[in-house]
Amino acid sequence: DTAVSQTPKYLVTQMGNDKSIKCEQNLGHDTMYWYKQDSKKFLKIMFSYNNKELIINETVPNRFSPKSPDKAHLNLHINSLELGDSAVYFCASSHSGGGNTEAFFGQGTRLTVV
Amino acid sequence: AQSVTQLGSHVSVSEGALVLLRCNYSSSVPPYLFWYVQYPNQGLQLLLKYTSAATLVKGINGFEAEFKKSETSFHLTKPSAHMSDAAEYFCAVSETNAGNNRKLIWGLGTSLAVNP
Repeated sequence: DTAVSQTPKYLVTQMGNDKSIKCEQNLGHDTMYWYKQDSKKFLKIMFSYNNKELIINETVPNRFSPKSPDKAHLNLHINSLELGDSAVYFCASSHSGGGNTEAFFGQGTRLTVV
Repeated sequence: AQSVTQLGSHVSVSEGALVLLRCNYSSSVPPYLFWYVQYPNQGLQLLLKYTSAATLVKGINGFEAEFKKSETSFHLTKPSAHMSDAAEYFCAVSETNAGNNRKLIWGLGTSLAVNP
């Protein structure tokens, strides 16, 4: 059973399109995240949700809209895709509370905008 | 704000040699520190974490890290490298913001190559 699963794993699309990435976790965690990893492997948090409530929004363009229908799911919708959006997007989840709780990551979605 | 510096973006060792990946942190409070590994085309997997219980932390796959407050370091080591250790390694520190929400602050990563 995959703990944090994201779909699709690969996504190739043209500039200007709208696309979504889905994420689900079966770990019973109450906090979920979206991270962006660029071509140099730099990881940056984009959003964090706790019990379906947005708690972290790291100055991401408003073309990116996360949606959490329940605490086991956190989807990412991207409007008007741009070349610079090409990256690997990781979903993660963790228990809330203490800073010592680790995050569990999905396998990533490699988005290529052409 | 907290930060993490990983010295050396690329490290190359021979199979069987010692692995040493460096991580220094900046934190105004006792930190929670993590090492994650990313194998090619995979997500990140936790290797180990420091939570103030013990300064020497043992993780998976034979890795360990030692928290040294005086040096603000949390270097990752493994006595004997294996070919399967070739991967990207990330050090991270946990930061809590004004709203008491926590996030991980990441280093830039170190790519480990293991030569036969």
